Amino acid sequence: EVHLLESGGDLVQPGGSLRLSCAASGFIFSSYSMSWVRQAPGKGLQWVSVIGGSGGTTYYADSVKGRFTISRDNSKNTLYLQMNSLRAEDTAVYYCAKDATGAGGFDYWGQGTLVTVSS
Amino acid sequence: QAVLTQPSSLSASPGASASLTCTLRSGINVGTYRIYWYQQKPGSPPQYLLRYKSDSDKQQGSGVPSRFSGSKDASANAGILLISGLQSEDEADYYCMIWHSGAYVFGTGTKVTVL
Repeated sequence: EVHLLESGGDLVQPGGSLRLSCAASGFIFSSYSMSWVRQAPGKGLQWVSVIGGSGGTTYYADSVKGRFTISRDNSKNTLYLQMNSLRAEDTAVYYCAKDATGAGGFDYWGQGTLVTVSS
Repeated sequence: QAVLTQPSSLSASPGASASLTCTLRSGINVGTYRIYWYQQKPGSPPQYLLRYKSDSDKQQGSGVPSRFSGSKDASANAGILLISGLQSEDEADYYCMIWHSGAYVFGTGTKVTVL
């Protein structure tokens, strides 16, 4: 059974940094691209970033480019999101999501971790 | 103008059919895209429903009932999620998504109410 568990969410001041983790199990982690998707309180879904299975390919939403870095450790079955220069508008629940087999999209999601950026 | 536009809300009666549209911005041709659909209930993460590009390129999510189906309306440049035989448990937010210009893009979301 696929299981994704995010951690690392916290209250942080504007301009601060935070690293999120997503522990994966139940599938061959290195074989799948992984994404981060966020949802601000009461708002819709916003894709943040994706990383290929080997970690060699990454893409970012324009809103986080240059501030966030996605990475993965396939030996630990763990996905990361390093978030720097945080802004109030980054406040959201952050979900990690597993790419569906071969044709994009996300077939499994974690429960999410809350990041609050406020002074 | 948003890349993907969805009606903000839709209401229907139990047992009825509900057609949710996901309209692509002018200049983006729906025929070239896989459209992914997600359901989200309050306090829960999104759940994958299905993917649809064509009748030969589609996928139902694991455990998703066949009363959820995808299609396209080329004349409206839109993807469609059809929910047949609406049930109270279908009350949720629904999002479409595409991969466009090196990024995943979500639609604005439709809140479905089962009256």
